[in-house]
Amino acid sequence: AQSVAQPEDQVNVAEGNPLTVKCTYSVSGNPYLFWYVQYPNRGLQFLLKYITGDNLVKGSYGFEAEFNKSQTSFHLKKPSALVSDSALYFCAVPLRDSNYQLIWGAGTKLIIKP
Amino acid sequence: NAGVMQNPRHLVRRRGQEARLRCSPVKGHSHVYWYRQLPEEGLKFMVYLQKENIIDESGMPKERFSAEFPKEGPSILRIQQVVRGDSAAYFCASSAGQGNNEQFFGPGTRLTVL
Repeated sequence: AQSVAQPEDQVNVAEGNPLTVKCTYSVSGNPYLFWYVQYPNRGLQFLLKYITGDNLVKGSYGFEAEFNKSQTSFHLKKPSALVSDSALYFCAVPLRDSNYQLIWGAGTKLIIKP
Repeated sequence: NAGVMQNPRHLVRRRGQEARLRCSPVKGHSHVYWYRQLPEEGLKFMVYLQKENIIDESGMPKERFSAEFPKEGPSILRIQQVVRGDSAAYFCASSAGQGNNEQFFGPGTRLTVL
């Protein structure tokens, strides 16, 4: 069965330090992978997606994610964290045989401390 | 910037009442998706609609829940005879087409059932 896991409920990072939010997946075939961010009391915003090609995907707000097929991971990264990056981050993969329905991770709360 | 709009943003209902949630997609988008988010959880797919058609309602409870996307006007998610377990955030998203297109999310409606 297709699944996506975000092993950390919460990640704490000091402002200016690099950040990583982890995501691992279990899908058959070549995966499409998405990252979304949810700010408090707001809807989700698309950050980036991997479909094919370069394993390093660049997205909005300075975020990037690295697709690693051997480790079945798609970790979200940013070289230097900002306090305004504090939010909930969700990883998602399309449901098998569906080109619209996404399976969502439980989310990781990112807290950036000044 | 007319993104996805949802109203009301907050809705309080007593058990047994009806809840109507409205979603206006991005202008030009004909694909609408409804999701439910419980506290500390990721999004759960409920239903996918195109104009006047329900494409996939596999994630929607069979009883009390219904959705429509008429030719004119917003998409409506209707919950009849609400129960406390219906308390959640309900998000609407829209896309320009099917096929792993980026989904644009609204700010959500937070339903509280007393």
